[in-house]
Amino acid sequence: GQQVMQIPQYQHVQEGEDFTTYCNSSTTLSNIQWYKQRPGGHPVFLIQLVKSGEVKKQKRLTFQFGEAKKNSSLHITATQTTDVGTYFCAPTTSGTYKYIFGTGTRLKVLA
Amino acid sequence: DVKVTQSSRYLVKRTGEKVFLECVQDMDHENMFWYRQDPGLGLRLIYFSYDVKMKEKGDIPEGYSVSREKKERFSLILESASTNQTSMYLCATAWGVNTGELFFGEGSRLTVL
Repeated sequence: GQQVMQIPQYQHVQEGEDFTTYCNSSTTLSNIQWYKQRPGGHPVFLIQLVKSGEVKKQKRLTFQFGEAKKNSSLHITATQTTDVGTYFCAPTTSGTYKYIFGTGTRLKVLA
Repeated sequence: DVKVTQSSRYLVKRTGEKVFLECVQDMDHENMFWYRQDPGLGLRLIYFSYDVKMKEKGDIPEGYSVSREKKERFSLILESASTNQTSMYLCATAWGVNTGELFFGEGSRLTVL
């Protein structure tokens, strides 16, 4: 079955430092979504990437889809304490209704 | 706003008991999903449904069953709960196929003693 690796598993940063999480798939993806889960909360949709090489920005967050559509990254510039949480990628492949998730990267931001 | 309501936030059950977790959505979404979330393992798909009375196994269906008699309701059933089913269970819905965002409920934390 499809395997999705997300790294790192944990990341502690000082407030103001940058942060990046990576999602790697063993198969070519149709699209990929990213979600954020605050401590004690449920996952909330951030963005969807569809095109090869696509880059999208949301304020301090930059999302990228690889040229081969097998990997993706989320980069946060100048982290803030409000960025604390777990970030999940959720890739999909064509021909299936399944939404599966990466293992997540838990981000802690030290003030 | 989409509302996804899970019937219980916290449950404590004994080994061997039958457990029902219910999920109701109010946005007429076709697709509904059940995940379990465990530390270090992320969200793992148990079952999903893309239409009434339709169900498909996810990655970890063993020990679980589901029911979708009405479009808005998707139930997860543990026929005989075991301690390794202690977990956070999350229900989600989506309108699109592979392209719609998932909307999650608040989660049901199940402890099996």
